[in-house]
Amino acid sequence: GESVGLHLPTLSVQEGDNSIINCAYSNSASDYFIWYKQESGKGPQFIIDIRSNMDKRQGQRVTVLLNKTVKHLSLQIAATQPGDSAVYFCAEMVNTPLVFGKGTRLSVIA
Amino acid sequence: EAQVTQNPRYLITVTGKKLTVTCSQNMNHEYMSWYRQDPGLGLRQIYYSMNVEVTDKGDVPEGYKVSRKEKRNFPLILESPSPNQTSLYFCASSRRGQFNSPLHFGNGTRLTVT
Repeated sequence: GESVGLHLPTLSVQEGDNSIINCAYSNSASDYFIWYKQESGKGPQFIIDIRSNMDKRQGQRVTVLLNKTVKHLSLQIAATQPGDSAVYFCAEMVNTPLVFGKGTRLSVIA
Repeated sequence: EAQVTQNPRYLITVTGKKLTVTCSQNMNHEYMSWYRQDPGLGLRQIYYSMNVEVTDKGDVPEGYKVSRKEKRNFPLILESPSPNQTSLYFCASSRRGQFNSPLHFGNGTRLTVT
């Protein structure tokens, strides 16, 4: 499959544990944030989003936390599974277009 | 099935030989965009289109052209490809490219220019 990033930060997590992936964003005026998951050989896939007037949003097994004071975004994955292994990107938006972070590679250890 | 379709998935060509990568979406999205993805650099936007006949440059437009004659199609054209355009390319679309409208991506086109 294609390599999406040879020098990405890597997070290794034991199967069943919770994962926390962090992202620092750059623009204090950004008002919309998205997390994407990219598996090998595929395009980025939408996971969850959050607006700047919220500090937490939950989906199925995923939670996004937003701290505007320090311009920090995190993605929490509960009970991490082997299928969660992928590269995860955050993206921020002020106006179009989206600005993407460089990503974090999550490896799940069975 | 709602999807963004890119063709081809893999393409090897030589310097200077014009090529087109096609992109089509079946979700009636107004907004479409092209990105390239390179190791260590992440996703960088090449061109985008807010609607039919409206296109704008992204962060790295040099050496690329696009057109948006129909809502569903947004081809990427390399008039004279060069080796520094070897990359993984993604097409994406969304309802209006605005707030609360996440991008849907195709599965990518791996381009090698020799």
